[in-house]
Amino acid sequence: KNEVEQSPQNLTAQEGEFITINCSYSVGISALHWLQQHPGGGIVSLFMLSSGKKKHGRLIATINIQEKHSSLHITASHPRDSAVYICAVFNSGGSNYKLTFGKGTLLTVNP
Amino acid sequence: KAGVTQTPRYLIKTRGQQVTLSCSPISGHRSVSWYQQTPGQGLQFLFEYFSETQRNKGNFPGRFSGRQFSNSRSEMNVSTLELGDSALYLCASSGGTGGPYNEQFFGPGTRLTVL
Repeated sequence: KNEVEQSPQNLTAQEGEFITINCSYSVGISALHWLQQHPGGGIVSLFMLSSGKKKHGRLIATINIQEKHSSLHITASHPRDSAVYICAVFNSGGSNYKLTFGKGTLLTVNP
Repeated sequence: KAGVTQTPRYLIKTRGQQVTLSCSPISGHRSVSWYQQTPGQGLQFLFEYFSETQRNKGNFPGRFSGRQFSNSRSEMNVSTLELGDSALYLCASSGGTGGPYNEQFFGPGTRLTVL
């Protein structure tokens, strides 16, 4: 079992729909990141979370440390949101840490 | 500020050769991390350098090595290339003390093909 599991693997939505991508992890973490990767490879960091909830424009990220679960929500989705969304966790461990990635969720938003 | 740059962008090598990839971080950033991305394994952490010292390392064989210079630029070297080393290699820089609480800024990647 992977340390970081994302669901769904693929998601197709119509423009304007509310999107939810889930990330579950099995290890203790210091922080969790949500990344966006567009075709061609460029990766952009969307959020860094260690607790609670963050919002940036139409994107909202939440984390529940007790349940080891995070969600990324996109409100009023748009075709330009089409990308792979990747969850990454930093495993805690003093000054040494390890970054583990989920396999990603491919989101396609149709006009 | 200029973003993270990586050179070269594309590279073709044959098995057994070695390769060196370069990463220039955002000015002022002292932490540089390297990642490998393949269709099968996804993104995997290779190592992180901070102020010229390797601070963390992922589960990769010793053929993968790196270094960081005093200007924070970093190089990654892969020796005795194998077909399975074909991948997109990404570097990311972060400010402050690096680590898990700082945003990572990714470069465009180097696409390595091993024939």
